Amino acid sequence: EDQVTQSPEALRLQEGESSSLNCSYTVSGLRGLFWYRQDPGKGPEFLFTLYSAGEEKEKERLKATLTKKESFLHITAPKPEDSATYLCAVQAMSTDKLIFGTGTRLQVFP
Amino acid sequence: NAGVTQTPKFRVLKTGQSMTLLCAQDMNHEYMYWYRQDPGMGLRLIHYSVGEGTTAKGEVPDGYNVSRLKKQNFLLGLESAAPSQTSVYFCASSYRLTGTDYGYTFGSGTRLTVV
Repeated sequence: EDQVTQSPEALRLQEGESSSLNCSYTVSGLRGLFWYRQDPGKGPEFLFTLYSAGEEKEKERLKATLTKKESFLHITAPKPEDSATYLCAVQAMSTDKLIFGTGTRLQVFP
Repeated sequence: NAGVTQTPKFRVLKTGQSMTLLCAQDMNHEYMYWYRQDPGMGLRLIHYSVGEGTTAKGEVPDGYNVSRLKKQNFLLGLESAAPSQTSVYFCASSYRLTGTDYGYTFGSGTRLTVV
């Protein structure tokens, strides 16, 4: 069964304190792994797609990496505006659907 | 360019009442999806559509029906609402080749409470 597990559930960081969010996955042939950002009361917003182990993508203070079993979202020198819930999702080769994890709620305080 | 628009944004229903949630997208996406989001459960797929006139069941389809009569619209219906259907509902759309850098585009959600 395809499955996605995110950790930690919640993370509190001081502004400038770098850290990483983890997404572990089990899927029968990975087509793509997706990262989304969700602000309270809003829909998820697309960040990255990763396709194969070893791939990395960056956007401002965020960098996503992928291995055969997990993905990391690295946040470098975060700012309060980076506070949000970050969702990970996987898509198997055999399907058009995404399987989402339950997310990591990130709080960055000044 | 509005993206994905969901209506209504909030609704309170009594048990047994029916309602329809509307999703409209203006990006000419082939695929559309309905998800529900509950605390601690993540996003779960209810139904989806790979094109006009086609629909398919997702992970949690019971108690819901859908229709896609036009490419740009995807309707989610609750025939007889139950308290277990209290949730936040999200519509999303995507191009056919989902494994692209575009991902899904989500609407802003409908918060439904069934009392």
